[in-house]
Amino acid sequence: GAGVSQSPRYKVAKRGQDVALRCDPISGHVSLFWYQQALGQGPEFLTYFQNEAQLDKSGLPSDRFFAERPEGSVSTLKIQRTQQEDSAVYLCASSLMGNQPQHFGDGTRLSIL
Amino acid sequence: GENVEQHPSTLSVQEGDSAVIKCTYSDSASNYFPWYKQELGKGPQLIIDIRSNVGEKKDQRIAVTLNKTAKHFSLHITETQPEDSAVYFCAGPFGNEKLTFGTGTRLTIIP
Repeated sequence: GAGVSQSPRYKVAKRGQDVALRCDPISGHVSLFWYQQALGQGPEFLTYFQNEAQLDKSGLPSDRFFAERPEGSVSTLKIQRTQQEDSAVYLCASSLMGNQPQHFGDGTRLSIL
Repeated sequence: GENVEQHPSTLSVQEGDSAVIKCTYSDSASNYFPWYKQELGKGPQLIIDIRSNVGEKKDQRIAVTLNKTAKHFSLHITETQPEDSAVYFCAGPFGNEKLTFGTGTRLTIIP
């Protein structure tokens, strides 16, 4: 498909486990964003890449959250030692470049037991 | 950070009538204002956007108006249909590449 692809769609983990969420952006898109969406709320910014460079990680809630995009395409969001408050939908978006329209994937719903 | 207020939080409209959702913001430097539609279990879908050099933009039944002086922008949906039922979010980069989203409006179209 031509859209942003995220996997897995659903992830259940026990508190304390590490998880990794994957994002495949639209081909050719330079900018990639991660957002966190709690139930009933709007998405909130986590981090932003331009190619492989992480230009803004001001939204990451703690040092347990880590994101990478080593080859400037696929990105992985990793959460270490998960806590119950990490339960949310994690959305990935990509755009041709900064300040261009952002297109979202369908997200990964993470549930921490 | 940037504050974005979105009203109303819920809106019920008879099929065929119009729906209007409004957002206000505080950062006067912002120049790009997208609207997203989110259906259950899906990611936000960009439905229309506007840049600050124009006051209005239309795409079939959807329009967005921008008042930079008053710092508000609105989404207008005419001739509403059942498939318009969803949660709608306004957003803006407000000087950065990252988006700040409004609190969302749950729109229900009554057949």
